[in-house]
Amino acid sequence: KAGVTQTPRYLIKTRGQQVTLSCSPISGHRSVSWYQQTPGQGLQFLFEYFSETQRNKGNFPGRFSGRQFSNSRSEMNVSTLELGDSALYLCASSLNRPGAQETQYFGPGTRLLVL
Amino acid sequence: GNSVTQMEGPVTLSEEAFLTINCTYTATGYPSLFWYVQYPGEGLQLLLKATKADDKGSNKGFEATYRKETTSFHLEKGSVQVSDSAVYFCALSDRSTGGFKTIFGAGTRLFVKA
Repeated sequence: KAGVTQTPRYLIKTRGQQVTLSCSPISGHRSVSWYQQTPGQGLQFLFEYFSETQRNKGNFPGRFSGRQFSNSRSEMNVSTLELGDSALYLCASSLNRPGAQETQYFGPGTRLLVL
Repeated sequence: GNSVTQMEGPVTLSEEAFLTINCTYTATGYPSLFWYVQYPGEGLQLLLKATKADDKGSNKGFEATYRKETTSFHLEKGSVQVSDSAVYFCALSDRSTGGFKTIFGAGTRLFVKA
């Protein structure tokens, strides 16, 4: 099976712009989550989508949003970019069996640089 | 809330040395525990996991045992190689806020010298 794919792999934007990142989960996986990784804050959970619904959300401002499509592919959007948004954004997918503890599988990430 | 604490790095070892990276957790319920590895410029790869108490996860010579009595999941390898140089993250599965997410430790950078 193909793994989690993310596009683009690298992005350079300027402050105030917006950006959209894309994630395709492993085939059959219905849960997609997003994480932000920075040297200072480590890995922080952004949000989780399941069946096109946001099911869980981390502690990030409303500038960060996402969505999931009927084929489980997901996008996240960051509006009005700030310098501090420079980070590696990781997407993860899991099967999501009800009541089960799940394993998340991660993509290679999108490295965003805000100038 | 649930959390993971792992030893700070960096850890520097010579090739063929024994590796231990300590990890402890705080959690309600019975989470699954994981070790992920991140090589330079890459995403996270699942290294091993354990889903219940006393389970031992193992992969590529690495192993870790789910110890509920000490709330620990220490990573060990008997003989490290230069290619093991990477950042290692201890993590647990969390359903406490509804939905599902993984909670990570801060990561431990490992350098292995030839």
